[in-house]
Amino acid sequence: ETGVTQTPRHLVMGMTNKKSLKCEQHLGHNAMYWYKQSAKKPLELMFVYNFKEQTENNSVPSRFSPECPNSSHLFLHLHTLQPEDSALYLCASSQDIGNINEKLFFGSGTQLSVL
Amino acid sequence: AQTVTQSQPEMSVQEAETVTLSCTYDTSENNYYLFWYKQPPSRQMILVIRQEAYKQQNATENRFSVNFQKAAKSFSLKISDSQLGDTAMYFCAFMRGNEKLTFGTGTRLTIIP
Repeated sequence: ETGVTQTPRHLVMGMTNKKSLKCEQHLGHNAMYWYKQSAKKPLELMFVYNFKEQTENNSVPSRFSPECPNSSHLFLHLHTLQPEDSALYLCASSQDIGNINEKLFFGSGTQLSVL
Repeated sequence: AQTVTQSQPEMSVQEAETVTLSCTYDTSENNYYLFWYKQPPSRQMILVIRQEAYKQQNATENRFSVNFQKAAKSFSLKISDSQLGDTAMYFCAFMRGNEKLTFGTGTRLTIIP
């Protein structure tokens, strides 16, 4: 247990559905991240939040909408997804960003299947 | 842009043997950090070991050690006395300055009893 909890663990949704992924960290960190992990591809950084403010959006389609109500919680709202969005979505946190000594703590991910 | 290449999609080794996972990277920078992350079947990525590029001494963490060849831009991970719990995906990652981690595609390692 690294202190980063993600729910749900698995999610199957249709292309017209709206769902949300949740991430919670109990480590007192200030930065939180969403990564996408697809088979045979490098992990893709999607969004970065620092002190609840979004600091990075790596050209992610608008059908993915992040929300960070406080430093401990991070959501990823999903709507009208495509089958190619099926992947493992990982949440991570770190004490700060822009610090060469930062260490990432990951959750167990949500395995998303879009039908 | 930095790239990280892991040329071995899958590897397997007998329990108690030693295995080496390869990683190469491409950068024009002189100061950077390299990492190996482990992702077991539980899917939770865990930092295994890290190396600062300015340090000549190879990093070691118990049974895990690296062979860092800066000129060759190579960063291999050696696992000694492999255990069943070492079965996982292993990701090599690169970080420069204040930028974010760049990951490789991973190597799936299976330890055979």
